[in-house]
Amino acid sequence: TAGITQAPTSQILAAGRSMTLRCTQDMRHNAMYWYRQDLGLGLRLIHYSNTAGTTGKGEVPDGYSVSRANTDDFPLTLASAVPSQTSVYFCASSETGQGVPYGYTFGSGTRLTVV
Amino acid sequence: ILNVEQSPQSLHVQEGDSTNFTCSFPSSNFYALHWYRWETAKSPEALFVMTLNGDEKKKGQISATLNTKEGYSYLYIKGSQPEDSATYLCALDGGYNKLIFGAGTRLAVHP
Repeated sequence: TAGITQAPTSQILAAGRSMTLRCTQDMRHNAMYWYRQDLGLGLRLIHYSNTAGTTGKGEVPDGYSVSRANTDDFPLTLASAVPSQTSVYFCASSETGQGVPYGYTFGSGTRLTVV
Repeated sequence: ILNVEQSPQSLHVQEGDSTNFTCSFPSSNFYALHWYRWETAKSPEALFVMTLNGDEKKKGQISATLNTKEGYSYLYIKGSQPEDSATYLCALDGGYNKLIFGAGTRLAVHP
C-alpha cells in the first residue's frame, strides 16, 4: 500500500542521547514535513522540505535537524534529547504544483518519551 | 506566527444529529484551507482543500464552506453516525506550502 512509513513506532530515550526518527514515502511527493503533536496544542511544524536537497524551519525547530538527500527519505534527528521533546511525531508529504494546493498524507506517527 | 482557531474544542451529539464547527484564520494570509479527519490511533486524513471564497465541498454527509474575506470555514456533518467520531482539524496554507493547524474539534457521536 502506497504511503508513508515511520520508524520506530515508539521509543523511550534517555535525556542527552541522540536519536533519528525515520520517514520514507513511496508516492514521489516533492514536499515532506515533520510535525509534533502535544495535548491541547495540535500539530506544530518542526521542519519541512519542499524538494530533495532543500530544507526549512517550521514553528518549533530548536533541538531538531533534518536532511533530504533524496525524494523518498526525510529523517528527523534529535542531537541531545530533553524531556520537553516527549511527544508524538508525525511525518507527512504532499505533491506540489504552481498555484495548486494539495492535501497532506500522514504517517502513523512515532511516540517518543524522553526520560 | 499565523493563528488558526477552532471551535468548539469538543462536541458530544446523539446519533442522527446534524452538527457543525468553525475554523477561523487571518484572512490576510490566506492561500488555501484544509480540513482533516483524525480518528483515534490513526493518522489524519485529508477531507477537503479549499481555495476560493464561497467554495463549498462535499464528501458523503460531510460538507465544508469557506469565507476568505472574513476568515472562517464551517464544517457540517448531516445525520452524524458513531463512525463520524473523530477529531476534525483545519489548517491554513499561507502560500508557502506549509500548513498551520488548529487544535481541532473533538466530536463524539453517541448511539
